[in-house]
Amino acid sequence: NAGVTQTPKFQVLKTGQSMTLQCAQDMNHEYMSWYRQDPGMGLRLIHYSVGAGITDQGEVPNGYNVSRSTTEDFPLRLLSAAPSQTSVYFCASSYGVSREVPDEQFFGPGTRLTVL
Amino acid sequence: SQKIEQNSEALNIQEGKTATLTCNYTNYSPAYLQWYRQDPGRGPVFLLLIRENEKEKRKERLKVTFDTTLKQSLFHITASQPADSATYLCALLMYSSASKIIFGSGTRLSIRP
Repeated sequence: NAGVTQTPKFQVLKTGQSMTLQCAQDMNHEYMSWYRQDPGMGLRLIHYSVGAGITDQGEVPNGYNVSRSTTEDFPLRLLSAAPSQTSVYFCASSYGVSREVPDEQFFGPGTRLTVL
Repeated sequence: SQKIEQNSEALNIQEGKTATLTCNYTNYSPAYLQWYRQDPGRGPVFLLLIRENEKEKRKERLKVTFDTTLKQSLFHITASQPADSATYLCALLMYSSASKIIFGSGTRLSIRP
């Protein structure tokens, strides 16, 4: 199993550009999520999904969109990039979920995004 | 809102000693709490989960305690080794909060030979 994969590993955008960060998992996990990690602030939940066709907002959803058309894929879209979105983005998945709270999470390797 | 504090940004200890990391939280009681390890440039790796009705959990050299009265979790690594050097994150998972999951900013642990 490849686990959780993310592409690209690095990305530089100009302010106002849009892009999609890809995330895929091959463990048949129902729960998937996106986080951003900034220095000194820990991981913050952006959006999550408890199954195909179901998504919801996390702590910091503004400026980001998600969709979940299949169990395997959970792309994160930046609509109009801003310098404040410069961060490292992690995708995670989990087999177990109860009342939208995941069990053990498996994280991808991350995407380092810089917005100029 | 929920707030998490991990005891210090960095902790340096001698190989062979027990490392103890602290995670304190305020306000709501979590359904459970998780600990992760993160190495530089990589994603977090799950270590242990402890539920609100459990006092202690062990896995090999790792031990986690959970005191809902003190609103605190302690994470212990016994017989520490240089390979244990990493950043350790605690995460609170809550049914009752729209945020669902809150991570601490982590403690960077260094084990010197």
